[in-house]
Amino acid sequence: DADVTQTPRNRITKTGKRIMLECSQTKGHDRMYWYRQDPGLGLRLIYYSFDVKDINKGEISDGYSVSRQAQAKFSLSLESAIPNQTALYFCATSDGTATYEQYFGPGTRLTVT
Amino acid sequence: GQQVMQIPQYQHVQEGEDFTTYCNSSTTLSNIQWYKQRPGGHPVFLIQLVKSGEVKKQKRLTFQFGEAKKNSSLHITATQTTDVGTYFCAGPDFGNEKLTFGTGTRLTIIP
Repeated sequence: DADVTQTPRNRITKTGKRIMLECSQTKGHDRMYWYRQDPGLGLRLIYYSFDVKDINKGEISDGYSVSRQAQAKFSLSLESAIPNQTALYFCATSDGTATYEQYFGPGTRLTVT
Repeated sequence: GQQVMQIPQYQHVQEGEDFTTYCNSSTTLSNIQWYKQRPGGHPVFLIQLVKSGEVKKQKRLTFQFGEAKKNSSLHITATQTTDVGTYFCAGPDFGNEKLTFGTGTRLTIIP
């Protein structure tokens, strides 16, 4: 089984709808991240959490919110989706040791019409 | 805020040719990481460089970290079709584990 899972894998929604993307991990890592990927723009950080009680905004947090329900679960919500939030969304984890290596989930492709 | 740029954005090479992507940060980095994303896939960690001037090799891949710890490069010798994908560098600010990813270099191979 994959160490970092994301649901759904693909989603089409309409403008104004609320949508939640979920991320779960079995790696036992404290640190979790949400990124957005757009062509030519690389990976941009939306929110990150270093433990269950720690939530931090990334560089593009406007229009998004998150919830860290448990060490293993980190959800991203779009309260009122808009078309320019159409993108590929990745969840990632790291254990915060010397390597700082991040492990990515398979991604969620979100289309807002 | 910190910015990490990569060039080129795209590179098309004949199979067997070499490939290099360059990464430049607006700030000094405590370390630099490199990731590879295959088409339709997710980023996968390749390597981390920590020391000024460090050079590491993984088979045909050579990674360098600049003396000032603000730039890095990835060189692939004799590319193969399995090298296709987008290569990202990423670095945290000093004392901050939040990564800033570069814009990526997309490598395509002409057989």
